[in-house]
Amino acid sequence: NAGVTQTPKFQVLKTGQSMTLQCAQDMNHEYMSWYRQDPGMGLRLIHYSVGAGITDQGEVPNGYNVSRSTTEDFPLRLLSAAPSQTSVYFCASSLTGMVRYEQYFGPGTRLTVT
Amino acid sequence: EDKVVQSPLSLVVHEGDTVTLNCSYEVTNFRSLLWYKQEKKAPTFLFMLTSSGIEKKSGRLSSILDKKELFSILNITATQTGDSAVYLCAVENFGNEKLTFGTGTRLTIIP
Repeated sequence: NAGVTQTPKFQVLKTGQSMTLQCAQDMNHEYMSWYRQDPGMGLRLIHYSVGAGITDQGEVPNGYNVSRSTTEDFPLRLLSAAPSQTSVYFCASSLTGMVRYEQYFGPGTRLTVT
Repeated sequence: EDKVVQSPLSLVVHEGDTVTLNCSYEVTNFRSLLWYKQEKKAPTFLFMLTSSGIEKKSGRLSSILDKKELFSILNITATQTGDSAVYLCAVENFGNEKLTFGTGTRLTIIP
């Protein structure tokens, strides 16, 4: 049982490049979400999904796309990277959408945009 | 818009001291308040408090929720160097499917 896995661990992009951050979980969790963590800002919700085929926006969705074609995977796409997207990105999952005390976080991806 | 404010932003104490971390919140439709511990990487869950469970305890850690005054505290007694971390507070909005996090308190324990 690997839990929540994220790849890559580190990434450096140039402004304007696109890329996909991968997130997978093997716990059959319905709810998955993406957060970004910046110094002094705490964790901010980017997008979330309550099940396969269903996604919705969080607090800071601009510049990011998501899809949820399977229960296991929830990739985050940066369409055209900007320096403001330099951050640490965490993927998280929980069994259901309504009770998130069992939310499990992945190890994070540190992204730098130059 | 839901809001969570944690204080202090950082705290440095000696091993063996007792610390109290604060979390105040504004949420339109409160469901639960959660505490997480974040060491070098991903946050790990500590407690969830709801209107039906306003005090939780696990070993040296305990937390209470005051729904009337809209705050929670996290107490750590007999602190150890392994308690050094950022402690995050988050609130859940009923039916919103979203968590709103505070900025965290960075706790450093000096041996």
